[in-house]
Amino acid sequence: VMTQTPLSSPVTLGQPASISCKSSQSLVHSSGNTYLSWLQQRPGQPPRLLIYKISYRFSGVPDRFSGSGAGTNFTLKISRVEPEDVGVYYCMQSTQFPDTFGQGTKLEIK
Amino acid sequence: EVQLVESGGALVQPGESLRLSCAASGFTFSDYWMHWVRQVPGKGLVWVSRMNTDGSHITYADSVKGRFTVSRDNAKNTQYLQMNSLRVEDTALYYCVRGAQQWVGSDYWGQGALVTVSS
Repeated sequence: VMTQTPLSSPVTLGQPASISCKSSQSLVHSSGNTYLSWLQQRPGQPPRLLIYKISYRFSGVPDRFSGSGAGTNFTLKISRVEPEDVGVYYCMQSTQFPDTFGQGTKLEIK
Repeated sequence: EVQLVESGGALVQPGESLRLSCAASGFTFSDYWMHWVRQVPGKGLVWVSRMNTDGSHITYADSVKGRFTVSRDNAKNTQYLQMNSLRVEDTALYYCVRGAQQWVGSDYWGQGALVTVSS
């Protein structure tokens, strides 16, 4: 089970934001890698991959997004929130079958 | 540019069938695993199925096993989701998702196809 906190995060433009994701089991794969990803879903849009393997930014993702963590605890950070960052953020694990998602964190502007 | 375009979404009655298609472009389709993920509007994401590159290895979520069938036509760069015995609780946006090659997981998502099951 993937548990995200907070479920809602009002943030001031230009300020940082942080979202936590905790797994009920270790996400370390037998390969030694940890397959934890972060997705962004803007209003009315499909999910978009931001981060994979805890901390690797996907193609085209701004460097204000960063991921960290290990084992069962992970964090997505946005260094300075911009208007286009509004939406719902999901963590997703692919280490254990089947892929499972956190319940989502809604990022909104104060 | 990677593109995944779903089609076939509709309003159907409980017990009926529907087939979704996902047309892929911008990459060598036959080299990638493919997934389906669904989302009840306003709710979270739920994995539905995954299929390997030649369609010989397929797994399903327990909630759809025995009712849904996925397949692919690599010559047409398309994957399909055949949904039978549809239930009200199958109402959702169905996303076609490409499996990642460099890590275990997925990368690109389609826009989604809306399936509504209602009497």
